[in-house]
Amino acid sequence: NAGVMQNPRHLVRRRGQEARLRCSPMKGHSHVYWYRQLPEEGLKFMVYLQKENIIDESGMPKERFSAEFPKEGPSILRIQQVVRGDSAAYFCASSPTSMQKDEQFFGPGTRLTVL
Amino acid sequence: SQKIEQNSEALNIQEGKTATLTCNYTNYSPAYLQWYRQDPGRGPVFLLLIRENEKEKRKERLKVTFDTTLKQSLFHITASQPADSATYLCALVMNSGYSTLTFGKGTMLLVSP
Repeated sequence: NAGVMQNPRHLVRRRGQEARLRCSPMKGHSHVYWYRQLPEEGLKFMVYLQKENIIDESGMPKERFSAEFPKEGPSILRIQQVVRGDSAAYFCASSPTSMQKDEQFFGPGTRLTVL
Repeated sequence: SQKIEQNSEALNIQEGKTATLTCNYTNYSPAYLQWYRQDPGRGPVFLLLIRENEKEKRKERLKVTFDTTLKQSLFHITASQPADSATYLCALVMNSGYSTLTFGKGTMLLVSP
């Protein structure tokens, strides 16, 4: 059973470009979470999605960032007009249900570098 | 303000000893507390979960305690091994109805042979 997959693993963008980060959850998981880890900082929650629905986006910046989890295909985190401060590791996690006792299974992360 | 504090300095111990890591939180009322391990360049891996009404949980060489009065969790690794060297993260799960995680910054553990 393949784990959570993220691609690309490394992404380099110039300021003003768009970044698209993809996450395929574990088989059978319909709950996806995105976290950001800035250098020397802890993991920060960004957004929680179920298939076709955004449940909680309280941790996501209001501008330039968006997320989706379509009925078919991976979850996408999209950052428009990237700035240097967006450079970070972005982790996706999935769980089988939304129950609070569920552990989350994390992907290897996408390391975004903005030049 | 809300805070989750873990020792920012690395913990250095000798192989065979017990490592104890601390997680303190302020102005949170978590329903659960989880501990994860993170190796360099990798995503976190789940280790243990403890509920607010549980005092202690064990799994093999790992033990977690949870004191909601002190607002503190302790994470112990007994008979530590060099392979236990990693960063350990505590994460709070709130009473929100779902399981989004609020993480501390983590403590790096270094176990020397």
